Amino acid sequence: DGGITQSPKYLFRKEGQNVTLSCEQNLNHDAMYWYRQDPGQGLRLIYYSQIVNDFQKGDIAEGYSVSREKKESFPLTVTSAQKNPTAFYLCASRRPGTSGETQYFGPGTRLLVL
Amino acid sequence: GENVEQHPSTLSVQEGDSAVIKCTYSDSASNYFPWYKQELGKGPQLIIDIRSNVGEKKDQRIAVTLNKTAKHFSLHITETQPEDSAVYFCAASGGWAAGNKLTFGGGTRVLVKP
Repeated sequence: DGGITQSPKYLFRKEGQNVTLSCEQNLNHDAMYWYRQDPGQGLRLIYYSQIVNDFQKGDIAEGYSVSREKKESFPLTVTSAQKNPTAFYLCASRRPGTSGETQYFGPGTRLLVL
Repeated sequence: GENVEQHPSTLSVQEGDSAVIKCTYSDSASNYFPWYKQELGKGPQLIIDIRSNVGEKKDQRIAVTLNKTAKHFSLHITETQPEDSAVYFCAASGGWAAGNKLTFGGGTRVLVKP
């Protein structure tokens, strides 16, 4: 998984609770991404950040929030406004430069609702 | 925005046979096309990629072809082995102007029967 760590591996959320998923990389990559994967489906982009202190919404940002205070870290908060949060969450990072579009993925966090 | 279609959704092949997965994309500005392999419960791993200035790329038993005019690209796996069994995803990226975002196909579950 190339220096990208995600924790925890499994996370349980109660109704009305906010939970935060951690993503850390030691690859010195500028850009980081969060994706959601539902069973039997492809990956959908939640949020992305190309530089520190800046981030943009992806295709399914509602009910999620992020921060990018450090280059190495891009935590994702699943808020109580996300009514169907059960999914596999994947974080990715991309090396600097306009030509290096390869994204490398972490091992993922599986979020389950109690 | 970009839309990527992937076919087939499942593919069963006999060990030693070839497997072909096809993807089409909608945005003619897309210029980078990676393929990922995902094993159960893990993050996707990049297996090969191609840029829009290249028509074909090979890496041992894996090859990717790109037809920019028709806006489709394909993954070819030759001499399949049981360890090739996994879910494969294609993706397309529009480069820096599009935030280097990847749009993924829905995935192909490949089963290699011994």
